[in-house]
Amino acid sequence: DAKTTQPTSMDCAEGRAANLPCNHSTISGNEYVYWYRQIHSQGPQYIIHGLKNNETNEMASLIITEDRKSSTLILPHATLRDTAVYYCIVRVGSNTGKLIFGQGTTLQVKP
Amino acid sequence: NAGVTQTPKFRILKIGQSMTLQCAQDMNHNYMYWYRQDPGMGLKLIYYSVGAGITDKGEVPNGYNVSRSTTEDFPLRLELAAPSQTSVYFCASRAQGNTGELFFGEGSRLTVL
Repeated sequence: DAKTTQPTSMDCAEGRAANLPCNHSTISGNEYVYWYRQIHSQGPQYIIHGLKNNETNEMASLIITEDRKSSTLILPHATLRDTAVYYCIVRVGSNTGKLIFGQGTTLQVKP
Repeated sequence: NAGVTQTPKFRILKIGQSMTLQCAQDMNHNYMYWYRQDPGMGLKLIYYSVGAGITDKGEVPNGYNVSRSTTEDFPLRLELAAPSQTSVYFCASRAQGNTGELFFGEGSRLTVL
């Protein structure tokens, strides 16, 4: 039932930018894209969200394609502490509060 | 603010027993969620609520029940526990609207033997 597709795993060298893709081809016009990450067995942590414009905060940047069918989360200078599972989610249905997480991408940052 | 508080943090149940996982938030959030996470897997939505008195099923509701009598509390009831319900359970809440960030509790680790 998840509306997003992400690669299962990715590696990134420490200090390099990590670019995590997400496909959300069925996204509706008023649905936001949210990114979360989960480190070990902790509760997921919010990273960033966006509607159609690119967004940046102190943690990451979010690039959303013009057709909104995909997005990329960018961690500009990955550190070992960024090793985590990253989830891209969109709300299911325009008039519900239902939020479905997919399997996410396991990002391994290597020294 | 305490945020989202879940109790208990750990629990071992015998097959067939019942229990309630408690979740409380002090942020006056309308939306509340229960997810489960099996080892090595992603989060699966069990139930969610958009406000007091309103609940709806998620992806994996079988074997669970919820109620939402107040804005603050969203307990999850397990009836007739089964080994398949061994998992980590996360409660989350968010404010109304598109931009509401999800706030998660620390999780409740349940083992059914």
